[in-house]
Amino acid sequence: EVQLVESGGGLVQPGGSLRLSCTVSGFTFSNYAMNWVRQAPGKGLEWVSVISGSGNITYYEESVKGRFSISRDNSKNTLHLQMNGLRADDTAVYYCAMGSSLFGYFDPWGQGTLVTVSS
Amino acid sequence: SYELTQPLSVSVALGQTARITCGRINIGYKNVHWYQQKPGQAPVVVIYRDRYRPSGIPERFSGSNSGNTATLTISWAQAGDEADYYCQVWDSSTVVFGGGTKLTVL
Repeated sequence: EVQLVESGGGLVQPGGSLRLSCTVSGFTFSNYAMNWVRQAPGKGLEWVSVISGSGNITYYEESVKGRFSISRDNSKNTLHLQMNGLRADDTAVYYCAMGSSLFGYFDPWGQGTLVTVSS
Repeated sequence: SYELTQPLSVSVALGQTARITCGRINIGYKNVHWYQQKPGQAPVVVIYRDRYRPSGIPERFSGSNSGNTATLTISWAQAGDEADYYCQVWDSSTVVFGGGTKLTVL
């Protein structure tokens, strides 16, 4: 069974940093692109970033460019999202999701981890 | 910027057919994927590449995409289909989600 489990969320002050992780099992991690998608409270889905299976290709949503960095450790089946310069509008549940391909659909998704940016 | 337009809400009587649209000029040239999200849960893909159903998704869910509109059709709507539904495409190496449609089954 494919499983994705996010961790690392929490409360952080504006301007602070946080590192999210997504640990996966049940499939050959390095064969798949991975994505981060977020959802602000009561709002819709917003894609954040994607990384290719090998880790050499990354793309970001415009508002996080230069602040967030996606990475992966294929030896540990783990995906990361390093978030710096956090702002109040980054407050959201962050989901990791497996990509069917680099530009494919997302299936499955993790259960999400909440990031709250507030003083 | 690339935007996808979905109705905020759609209502359907139990057992009837619901249609949720996702609009954008020439969306017919894109692969459109649809996700269902129930309260407190992560999204689940219900249709991918316009019209394909993942295993485990009932045949009542179908999709189409042509011209300026992609459509998710839910036949024989059940109470358990009440959820938010999002369409999604890729554009210029980034992902665009529609704003989401809340489906209410009456």
